[in-house]
Amino acid sequence: DAGVTQSPTHLIKTRGQHVTLRCSPISGHKSVSWYQQVLGQGPQFIFQYYEKEERGRGNFPDRFSARQFPNYSSELNVNALLLGDSALYLCASSLEAGGGNNSPLHFGNGTRLTVT
Amino acid sequence: AQKITQTQPGMFVQEKEAVTLDCTYDTSDQSYGLFWYKQPSSGEMIFLIYQGSYDEQNATEGRYSLNFQKARKSANLVISASQLGDSAMYFCAMREGLITGGGNKLTFGTGTQLKVEL
Repeated sequence: DAGVTQSPTHLIKTRGQHVTLRCSPISGHKSVSWYQQVLGQGPQFIFQYYEKEERGRGNFPDRFSARQFPNYSSELNVNALLLGDSALYLCASSLEAGGGNNSPLHFGNGTRLTVT
Repeated sequence: AQKITQTQPGMFVQEKEAVTLDCTYDTSDQSYGLFWYKQPSSGEMIFLIYQGSYDEQNATEGRYSLNFQKARKSANLVISASQLGDSAMYFCAMREGLITGGGNKLTFGTGTQLKVEL
């Protein structure tokens, strides 16, 4: 079975530009979460979507937005890119909205975004 | 205060030896979950083991076990019989509000870089 897939794997953008990152969850998983991992740090929660509705939002500016589609795939959009947005963006899927061992997060390989 | 603290930025262990990676956490929730993830240089986060706050027994998954000491708010990962392929960054994470609906927001520590040597 395919795991969580993210595209693209690498991306280079210029300050002020806009970027869209894509994520396909594991088949049957209805929840998708997005995390930002800056070099040398642990991932930081950005968004969670479950059944196409936003279920949680981290401490990120409004330049960050996301959505989930009927097939449960998701997009993360970042507008007006800043140098500080350079990071590894990880997508994670789970069966349910949240819980415990029954619903661990499964992460993709990430998209490495470089803003110049 | 940091919610997840990993005090060991780097650890070395010899192949076939056991190693303990430390994690302490801070929460006022009664119901929470603790996770350990492995991140190789390729970048993906690999789920290793989970411990719920109400689980009375320490979690085990193959060579991984979680030493859960609730009163001390610690959730250390023990890797037995280390292998070269265990070399990676290891993250401790917490999900709060399991009953009230904490969703999938995990709070991660800063990680421990483990190097397994021959």
